[in-house]
Amino acid sequence: DAMVIQNPRYQVTQFGKPVTLSCSQTLNHNVMYWYQQKSSQAPKLLFHYYDKDFNNEADTPDNFQSRRPNTSFCFLDIRSPGLGDAAMYLCATRVGGGLNTEAFFGQGTRLTVV
Amino acid sequence: SQQGEEDPQALSIQEGENATMNCSYKTSINNLQWYRQNSGRGLVHLILIRSNEREKHSGRLRVTLDTSKKSSSLLITASRAADTASYFCATRVDSSYKLIFGSGTRLLVRP
Repeated sequence: DAMVIQNPRYQVTQFGKPVTLSCSQTLNHNVMYWYQQKSSQAPKLLFHYYDKDFNNEADTPDNFQSRRPNTSFCFLDIRSPGLGDAAMYLCATRVGGGLNTEAFFGQGTRLTVV
Repeated sequence: SQQGEEDPQALSIQEGENATMNCSYKTSINNLQWYRQNSGRGLVHLILIRSNEREKHSGRLRVTLDTSKKSSSLLITASRAADTASYFCATRVDSSYKLIFGSGTRLLVRP
């Protein structure tokens, strides 16, 4: 059974048109992450949450925002997508409070900007 | 920001051979983790090694950690075509919950 679910798997959006990607989890994990991954590159951390405590990476563009209304759901909003924002976006969760725990990833949303 | 580098960037081997990939990192760590990613999919956790451990095994996987050199290696023994994937190391940075990935190794196992 899928534990971290990302919807949709594929998203096409127009240049400059706001888009929202969603992630849900059934694991009740405190920590949630959003990563951006471009072709043949490593996942790049955009944000992470510990519960509602939001942590933004210094080099995450202002164009990217996130919301976590409750433990189960997390959203990535791209306010004005540019061609350079085309990528795979990965959501992950992790148990908080322990040092040595693994992250669980969703299948990702591949974003195309036209 | 990226925590470290992996080498080689790409590795092509014959089925049945062993595959070794290396990861270097920059900061002090609590643990180091290895993940696998099939093309176009999410990442799957393989193995975690704690900073006070030097070697760990899981099935055909063997991971070593050298904290003095800030490096780790992942060995896949008796490789199979199904092992074809990208492999990433990841470290938790300091006391934060940040999980930062290395640059990855693309492994191709030829049947």
